[in-house]
Amino acid sequence: RKEVEQDPGPFNVPEGATVAFNCTYSNSASQSFFWYRQDCRKEPKLLMSVYSSGNEDGRFTAQLNRASQYISLLIRDSKLSDSATYLCVVTPSGTYKYIFGTGTRLKVLA
Amino acid sequence: NAGVTQTPKFQVLKTGQSMTLQCAQDMNHNSMYWYRQDPGMGLRLIYYSASEGTTDKGEVPNGYNVSRLNKREFSLRLESAAPSQTSVYFCASSDFRTGGSNEQFFGPGTRLTVL
Repeated sequence: RKEVEQDPGPFNVPEGATVAFNCTYSNSASQSFFWYRQDCRKEPKLLMSVYSSGNEDGRFTAQLNRASQYISLLIRDSKLSDSATYLCVVTPSGTYKYIFGTGTRLKVLA
Repeated sequence: NAGVTQTPKFQVLKTGQSMTLQCAQDMNHNSMYWYRQDPGMGLRLIYYSASEGTTDKGEVPNGYNVSRLNKREFSLRLESAAPSQTSVYFCASSDFRTGGSNEQFFGPGTRLTVL
């Protein structure tokens, strides 16, 4: 089983739609969680950190469920500019490593 | 602040040639990382340096060496390039500490083709 798993998609949604991605992780002792965004052939950039209490940044909401070992990302009112690959990232406790999922591709259609 | 910089941006090598990828960060981060990204594989960790003076293997270290030259710079060397090393290489840095934000910042990448 992979340490971090994501549905690769693609998710094709119309502008204005709400879309949600999940990501599961295998190490129950993981300590930090992130969603990164990666545009085609560019470097990944932090979208948001994910906190135990959940957090929101504008149209984006991230949730962490430690009991079921998954994190989620909800995007409301999708824009064309949201089209990208979304990477789930987890840091296992006791290491300096970041474990990346393979990414979920989102395409927002006009 | 430039953040994380990488050179070169593009490189074409012949099998057996060697080269060094350079990475520098100006954020005073302790930890630095080298990843490779192949289609459908996500980012895979090659080597990392938790702090100045230390380096450790990641998931795919074979065929690579690294040097943490100082706190700012972390280089990746291919001693004898192979076609299987054709990839996009990203350098990243973070201020990794317990309880901290631990966000990783990435360089723009080096696109390497080995013929």
